[in-house]
Formats: sequence, structure tokens, C-alpha cells
Amino acid sequence: QVQLVQSGAEVKKPGASVKVSCKASGYSFTNYGISWVRQAPGQGPEWMGWISVYNDNTNYAQKFQGRVTMTTDTSTTTAYMELRSLRSDDSAVYYCARQLTAVTNYGVDVWGQGTTVTVSS
Amino acid sequence: QTVVTQEPSLTVSPGGTVTLTCASGTGAVTSGYFPNWFQQKPGQAPRPLIYSTTNRHSWTPARFSGSLLGGKAALTLSGVQPEDEAQYYCLLYYSGAQLGVFGGGTKLTVL
Repeated sequence: QVQLVQSGAEVKKPGASVKVSCKASGYSFTNYGISWVRQAPGQGPEWMGWISVYNDNTNYAQKFQGRVTMTTDTSTTTAYMELRSLRSDDSAVYYCARQLTAVTNYGVDVWGQGTTVTVSS
Repeated sequence: QTVVTQEPSLTVSPGGTVTLTCASGTGAVTSGYFPNWFQQKPGQAPRPLIYSTTNRHSWTPARFSGSLLGGKAALTLSGVQPEDEAQYYCLLYYSGAQLGVFGGGTKLTVL
């Protein structure tokens, strides 16, 4: 079955970087994009950006421009999201989600289980 | 940053019908914003319900339907069940469907 399995929880100090992985299985990896969404405690989801696995095109929310990088490794069917210069308000659950198509953005279906990132000194 | 607005809370009786809406700070929502709807219960990831305005996912019960209503995206629940009590979020896509923005969410109470 289609699955996205994310890496485990992380604890980071302010100013550090975190790289979350999202291992895809059960479908043709290059036929779909991957979106990244985060959700801080008690808050709604926040769309961070997406990457086309097909052509490596990325689009990031303005809020994260310059601080986030999304990549994929087709040999291991894994997507990655790296967030740099972490602050305490980056503490959240980070999700990857499969887009419905390879190069356009009109929805997502399968979600990863989430990765909790805690930023604390 | 574009603001997407939802009703903060709604209450509906079991078996009733309720409509949740999703408005864009840039003007009327059209099909070109590809509205998506998600249900979220405590401790769980958001669960996709509707994509591209009206399309249900294979797991979405038929009592959930999406539409455009008065310049907004809308999610209508008909024959509401107790298990529909949850937080609901919409997601709109901007800039030629390249950038997404979530709404603030609607807490639906079934009472």
C-alpha cells in the first residue's frame, strides 16, 4: 500500500538545522510531488512548500524562503526537508504529503505520520 | 502572506446539515484555487476529504461534499454523524497553483 514513513523526533538548539526524511513506498515515486506541512502545538497546519520529484522544481512559502531546502533521492525514494537557523517557534510536527500529480498542485492524499521537532536551549 | 478565513466554530445536531466556508483575502475563490478540505481529530494528522473543489477521495464518505458558494469554497456535511466532530481546514493554492495557504480552521461540534 502507499506509505510515507518519516524519520524520528528531533531536539535541536536555536540556530541549528534539522533535516527530516520521508520514505515513500507502494507507488512510482517520480509520478507524484511531495508537499511539506508543519503544525505547531495548538495551531492549524502551515503549508511550507513542495517539490516535484519528476523535475526537482521547488516552491517555498515566502515565510521560509532562504531557510528551507526540499530535495529528493530517487534511488532511495526518499524526500527530505531541511530547515536552518532554527528558532523556538519552529517547534512543531512536520508532515510530508504526497501530491496528486507530478508537476502541479491541486491536492494531496497520503500523509506521513509526522516528525516532532523541538527547538530548545 | 495571503489570509484564508474560515468560521472559527460551528455547531450542528446529529443528522443535520452544516456548511463550512473558506474565503480568500485576495477576492472570490474560484476553481483555479483548487480548494482542498481536511478533517483533523486530536493527535492525528490531517485527513484529506476533498480536492480540487468538489472531488472526494476514495475514503471520503458521500455525506461530505465540496462546492463554491457566494465567492467562497464550501464544505457541506449532510446527515452529520457524531464522529464528524473535529477540526476542519481548507487549503487554497495561489500563483498558478504553486503556493498553498491553509485556513485557520473550523471547530465543528456535534451536539
